[in-house]
Amino acid sequence: KNQVEQSPQSLIILEGKNCTLQCNYTVSPFSNLRWYKQDTGRGPVSLTIMTFSENTKSNGRYTATLDADTKQSSLHITASQLSDSASYICVVTTSGGSYIPTFGRGTSLIVHP
Amino acid sequence: SQTIHQWPATLVQPVGSPLSLECTVEGTSNPNLYWYRQAAGRGLQLLFYSVGIGQISSEVPQNLSASRPQDRQFILSSKKLLLSDSGFYLCAYNRDKSGEQYFGPGTRLTVT
Repeated sequence: KNQVEQSPQSLIILEGKNCTLQCNYTVSPFSNLRWYKQDTGRGPVSLTIMTFSENTKSNGRYTATLDADTKQSSLHITASQLSDSASYICVVTTSGGSYIPTFGRGTSLIVHP
Repeated sequence: SQTIHQWPATLVQPVGSPLSLECTVEGTSNPNLYWYRQAAGRGLQLLFYSVGIGQISSEVPQNLSASRPQDRQFILSSKKLLLSDSGFYLCAYNRDKSGEQYFGPGTRLTVT
């Protein structure tokens, strides 16, 4: 069964600090992995998308890594800001015709001043 | 540019009443379309997806149904709402077959 597990479930950090969110998956065959940011009451917005051959991808203060051998990904947030408070969702998609994604439950990040 | 619309933004309905949520996509053709539900504090649950007009696949058995009457229109319906139908409903589409999805603003449904 395809699964995506994220940790921690929630995280509280102080503004300006760095943090790393984890994602482990058992999805197969693998097509790509995406990290989304979802603000409360809004739809998720894509931060990064990574394919099998990509190890690292950055988007501003967000850096995602992918280890396809161990089936792990991380999202590193540098110099956190209050606006980073949101849920971060890891999504893995299988290759094949329908491209049905498997969603993690998300990590809820709260950045305090 | 591509955009995705959902309405209404919020909805409060009594148990047993019907439901119709609408999603439309602009700026792309023949997208894959998806309906998700997100319960409070939970992850996204895929409800339905569609790869073309009139083609609907259901992921979770429930009292909801979906239809795609036009290429860029996706409708989520129910004949009789249950309390457990409360949640945040998101529509999404694939612009291409890469799997990257673009989400609408969502509809907050409260069944009372």
